[in-house]
This record gives sequence, C-alpha cells and structure tokens, in this order.
Amino acid sequence: GAGVSQTPSNKVTEKGKYVELRCDPISGHTALYWYRQSLGQGPEFLIYFQGTGAADDSGLPNDRFFAVRPEGSVSTLKIQRTERGDSAVYLCASSPPGYHTGELFFGEGSRLTVL
Amino acid sequence: AQKVTQAQTEISVVEKEDVTLDCVYETRDTTYYLFWYKQPPSGELVFLIRRNSFDEQNEISGRYSWNFQKSTSSFNFTITASQVVDSAVYFCALSTSGAGSYQLTFGKGTKLSVIP
Repeated sequence: GAGVSQTPSNKVTEKGKYVELRCDPISGHTALYWYRQSLGQGPEFLIYFQGTGAADDSGLPNDRFFAVRPEGSVSTLKIQRTERGDSAVYLCASSPPGYHTGELFFGEGSRLTVL
Repeated sequence: AQKVTQAQTEISVVEKEDVTLDCVYETRDTTYYLFWYKQPPSGELVFLIRRNSFDEQNEISGRYSWNFQKSTSSFNFTITASQVVDSAVYFCALSTSGAGSYQLTFGKGTKLSVIP
C-alpha cells in the first residue's frame, strides 16, 4: 500500500518481556516519528528520525525504550522489560523531505497490551 | 511549556447540524503552528489543517472552517451540515518553531458522534 504500515497491529505480552514494533514509512519520506497514545489521551511524541539518525529522542520515557532506523527507511521501536504502564497504541508517522510543515502521515498504530 | 486543551470530551449531534469543536492553547513562543487532525475508528490520524501564528485569517474548506483568535488563544473548528462520516475523534495540536514542526503537542481530543 501507499500509506505508513505498522506491524503488528496488536501485541499482547507479559510484564517483563521484550517487544519490537515495526514501522514502514511512505516511500521517499525521509522523516519518521514515533508517538504513543494512551487510552483517552492525545498522542505523545517519542522520537524523530531524519534519515538514519535519531534527531530528537527527548520523548522516550526511559532507557527501556529504544528505536532504530538502520537504512533510513523501516524503523523498529524496541521496548525492554515491559511494564503494564507501557500499554498503549504506538503510532508511527512519516513526512516528505524538506521543511517541516507538521503534516504528518500516520499509520494505524500498533496496540500493545502488557499483562 | 506548551499545552493544548480540548474541553469537550464528547459531542453528539444529529446529522445536518453544525458543530464547533473548541481548542485553547498555551505557549510562550511568539512563533508557533496550530493543527487539527482527525482520527477515525480505523486509528490513523489524518491531517486537516495547519495554521501559523502570524496568520489569523479564518479558513474555509468545504464544510470545514477554522477560527483562529490569538487574543483568546483559541483555534476552533466548525463542521457545517455534519454527516455520519464526520464521526471521529478530533485532535487539536501545537508546535513551536524551537522544537520544529515535527514535535506536536496534542490535546486529549473530542469524540464527535453524528447520529443519522
């Protein structure tokens, strides 16, 4: 498809386990973003990539969260030692090269449930 | 610190009614950008509009219109003649030039239900 693709769409795991969430941005989009949306809340910024590098990771809540984008396209958000409070929808977005307009193209999200 | 407040948690209207979604923002920056995004039940947020702080001109796009008033720090969104397909959660968001337009601060959203 032409949109941002996220897998898995749903992930249920147990407390303490390791989780990986994948994002495949729109082809040609150089910028990639991860946001987290808890129930009843608006999305919260986690990290922003420009190309392969993390340009801003100030939104990552702690060192259990890590994200990579090794080839400047697909990105993986990694969560170690998951906690129940990590349960949320993790949204990925991308945007085309050039000046940031704030028009982000979002995927449908990966719903993470930590039991 | 930046903050976006959407006081209306849920709104229900009957099809063809007009509805206004409120958004109040807080920022100390003089240059900033305001946005509205729509989140249908499928989950992906869809960009609707972007406004910069220097442009207070109201905008109309089809049945949608936006009223930006710096004096009251508000950026309200009106849907005219609502339709069932307008049912979704609507988010107002803010970003400042210092953080770049990628780091959006979202409100908690307003869930709009349009009843046939």
